Amino acid sequence: DTAVSQTPKYLVTQMGNDKSIKCEQNLGHDTMYWYKQDSKKFLKIMFSYNNKELIINETVPNRFSPKSPDKAHLNLHINSLELGDSAVYFCASSQDRRGGLAPHTDTQYFGPGTRLTVL
Amino acid sequence: QKEVEQNSGPLSVPEGAIASLNCTYSDRVSQSFFWYRQYSGKSPELIMSIYSNGDKEDGRFTAQLNKASQYVSLLIRDSQPSDSATYLCAVYTGGFKTIFGAGTRLFVKA
Repeated sequence: DTAVSQTPKYLVTQMGNDKSIKCEQNLGHDTMYWYKQDSKKFLKIMFSYNNKELIINETVPNRFSPKSPDKAHLNLHINSLELGDSAVYFCASSQDRRGGLAPHTDTQYFGPGTRLTVL
Repeated sequence: QKEVEQNSGPLSVPEGAIASLNCTYSDRVSQSFFWYRQYSGKSPELIMSIYSNGDKEDGRFTAQLNKASQYVSLLIRDSQPSDSATYLCAVYTGGFKTIFGAGTRLFVKA
């Protein structure tokens, strides 16, 4: 099936640990994103990658390091996990190629989410 | 700071009624506007996109855009209990960035 997939779906870990979340899309999209959704359901962009290049880094602590080995994959590594990192992390992709306002290719397609709980 | 504002709700409507969801945005340059629906424990899914002033209808859903007032709304006609979810307004501001509102929780009572 064509989709955006993420692994793992659930992640429970202790403070101070390092963990990774993987994302893959087979929609042929050029742009991929990481979003964080907190307990109040506020969905906030963290990173945006276009064709493997980092475009947006929204004042995210440098404990968070995204990596895009190719256009179809965007992984998120988190070092020294803190209690405040507990949230649902969504990967998304879009057809957006140039970041312009006109193309109308900016619809986001979301993965199923990874619920991270830091104890 | 570019923002998207929504009433967090909850908005409660009886089955069969019209649900009206509203959103305002601050960036006048924005050209693309979206409504996503998110069921509890699930990921957001696109319901409607709208790019031009006026109304856009798709089944029971109508999106309305007024760029002069920086206002976008979603009407759900003949509301069903299955419409109960959080509705996220989103605005594409260019530069590969979409800003989401905090969402409005909708409850449709049977």
